[in-house]
Amino acid sequence: GAGVSQSPSNKVTEKGKDVELRCDPISGHTALYWYRQSLGQGLEFLIYFQGNSAPDKSGLPSDRFSAERTGGSVSTLTIQRTQQEDSAVYLCASSLSGARAQFFGNEQFFGPGTRLTVL
Amino acid sequence: GESVGLHLPTLSVQEGDNSIINCAYSNSASDYFIWYKQESGKGPQFIIDIRSNMDKRQGQRVTVLLNKTVKHLSLQIAATQPGDSAVYFCAESSTGNQFYFGTGTSLTVIP
Repeated sequence: GAGVSQSPSNKVTEKGKDVELRCDPISGHTALYWYRQSLGQGLEFLIYFQGNSAPDKSGLPSDRFSAERTGGSVSTLTIQRTQQEDSAVYLCASSLSGARAQFFGNEQFFGPGTRLTVL
Repeated sequence: GESVGLHLPTLSVQEGDNSIINCAYSNSASDYFIWYKQESGKGPQFIIDIRSNMDKRQGQRVTVLLNKTVKHLSLQIAATQPGDSAVYFCAESSTGNQFYFGTGTSLTVIP
């Protein structure tokens, strides 16, 4: 079956513009995460969706960042009024169930990421 | 606050040798740990995980060791192969939904 897909793979935008990044998780996965990875850095947690529960937005760096997950499947990460420091690879991951693994093997499957460049 | 770091940013090993990648964490409440492998241009790929009630866990050619006393985690790769060349991240979690990732160790396998 298909893995996690993200689009676009690359996005170049001008400072001040809004961008939307899309994530298609693995079918049947109830948990979905967004991370940001700056050059040479580890992953920075942004937001987490679990089923119909309210998302955990505690990692969003500012109110310019928002995300939605429609119908418990596709998710969109929106960055408004982009800044140069927003340039990074944005990674989406999904897992079969919740973040806190109830059993071994409940790993997160990552998409290839969207490379965002803000000029 | 959370802190996850790696002792060495780069590691080079000869093909066939064993590799050991280390990771330190600062939150004593962390109870779940994961190792990921990230190849160039790809998203991270799960390798192995371990809970804090275990000291060791083995997978296929990989072993994770957890020392809670010194808050240290290691990933051992047996008979390292060229395909193992990648950046390796450790991630830890205590409560909630967040996983905290280290900055990564770049492993290069020399043929």
